[in-house]
Amino acid sequence: SYELIQPPSVSVSPGQTARITCSGDALPKRGGYWYQQKPGQAPVLVIYKDTERPSGIPERFSGSSAGTTVTLTISGVQAEDEADYYCQSADTSGSYSYVVFGGGTKLTVL
Amino acid sequence: QLQLQESGPGLVKPSETLSLTCTVSGVSIRSSTYYWGWIRQPPGKGLEWIGIIYDSGNTYYNPSLKSRVTMSVDTSKNQFSLKLTSVTAADTAVFYCAAHWRGGNWNDVHLKYWGQGTLVTVS
Repeated sequence: SYELIQPPSVSVSPGQTARITCSGDALPKRGGYWYQQKPGQAPVLVIYKDTERPSGIPERFSGSSAGTTVTLTISGVQAEDEADYYCQSADTSGSYSYVVFGGGTKLTVL
Repeated sequence: QLQLQESGPGLVKPSETLSLTCTVSGVSIRSSTYYWGWIRQPPGKGLEWIGIIYDSGNTYYNPSLKSRVTMSVDTSKNQFSLKLTSVTAADTAVFYCAAHWRGGNWNDVHLKYWGQGTLVTVS
């Protein structure tokens, strides 16, 4: 089945820009979605359809897509952005349709 | 505002069947806007999609869990349910129910609303 690959960890200082990548062969044909998960909480959608931001999500969160990679960018990182981030896509293979998550990236704000 | 709430036993014995229910409020479970699904997260690990149910009975399951998973809907109670058979310690996880946005095609599917999650321990 289809895999999405993320770096296990990313570290940045407050005020800097964090970039988290997600690679998958089918991503150019599929949407890329991003979720933020803080400890003990359910994930929250922060980016949909590669670049769109749901209402209520701060403008410092943005998404982009190039080839087989989608990227979540957090500009002017704040301490509250420290969390795990997961990318997600949806694929169809033969008679199967399914949702797949990347392995997750832990963002540490130094 | 759409809300979801998981319920069910927090402890299940090995080889038995795990059963969870998700109660949906704020929208009818008959809505054509959403698929209704389950995701799990073992302690300290990542998210794993289990599957969805929609239109009162159609399903898509994760191929790796398909042989052990059954989902159902109770429209009278605005609930949907998960059964996972023959559980082992490896099935210990926080289980989330989620409303999946359908969009225009399968590529648009994403998890727009999540329940708070419930920990199920197999021991």
